[in-house]
Amino acid sequence: NAGVMQNPRHLVRRRGQEARLRCSPMKGHSHVYWYRQLPEEGLKFMVYLQKENIIDESGMPKERFSAEFPKEGPSILRIQQVVRGDSAAYFCASSPPSGRDGSDTQYFGPGTRLTVL
Amino acid sequence: GDSVTQMEGPVTLSEEAFLTINCTYTATGYPSLFWYVQYPGEGLQLLLKATKADDKGSNKGFEATYRKETTSFHLEKGSVQVSDSAVYFCAPTSGNTPLVFGKGTRLSVIA
Repeated sequence: NAGVMQNPRHLVRRRGQEARLRCSPMKGHSHVYWYRQLPEEGLKFMVYLQKENIIDESGMPKERFSAEFPKEGPSILRIQQVVRGDSAAYFCASSPPSGRDGSDTQYFGPGTRLTVL
Repeated sequence: GDSVTQMEGPVTLSEEAFLTINCTYTATGYPSLFWYVQYPGEGLQLLLKATKADDKGSNKGFEATYRKETTSFHLEKGSVQVSDSAVYFCAPTSGNTPLVFGKGTRLSVIA
């Protein structure tokens, strides 16, 4: 059973460009979470999605950031018009559906390290 | 909302020393408690978990006991190895809610 997959692993963008980060959850998982980690910091929650629904986006900046988890395909975190302060590691995690054994456990991908020049 | 307090790092130990990393939490209801480990340049790996009071999670020689009365989930290992050098994160969660992380505790083990 493949783990959570993220791509690209490293992404370099110039200020003003768009960044698209992809996350494929573990097989059978229907919940996806995005977190951001600044250097020497812990992870900060950004957004929680189920298929075709945003459940909680309380940690996401109101502007330039958006996320989706379509019926088919990976979850996408999109950052428009990137700025230097967006440079960070972005981690995706997934968990099983509610009510299933282990539904409280999140499994993390390897992350995408975004560098904005 | 939920929150977690971990002991400040870095923690530097000699190989085979005893490790304790303190973690206390605040949460509504009865959260599950997790320890994750992050090796340099990698994502977080689940180390162990406990889902109810007095449960003990264990893995790879690490242990932590869910103490509801003190709202704590301290991580321990009897004999650390150089390969245990990493950043350790404690996190509570209830159901499918997002994890709440502290800054983590960096552990360096020297031979």
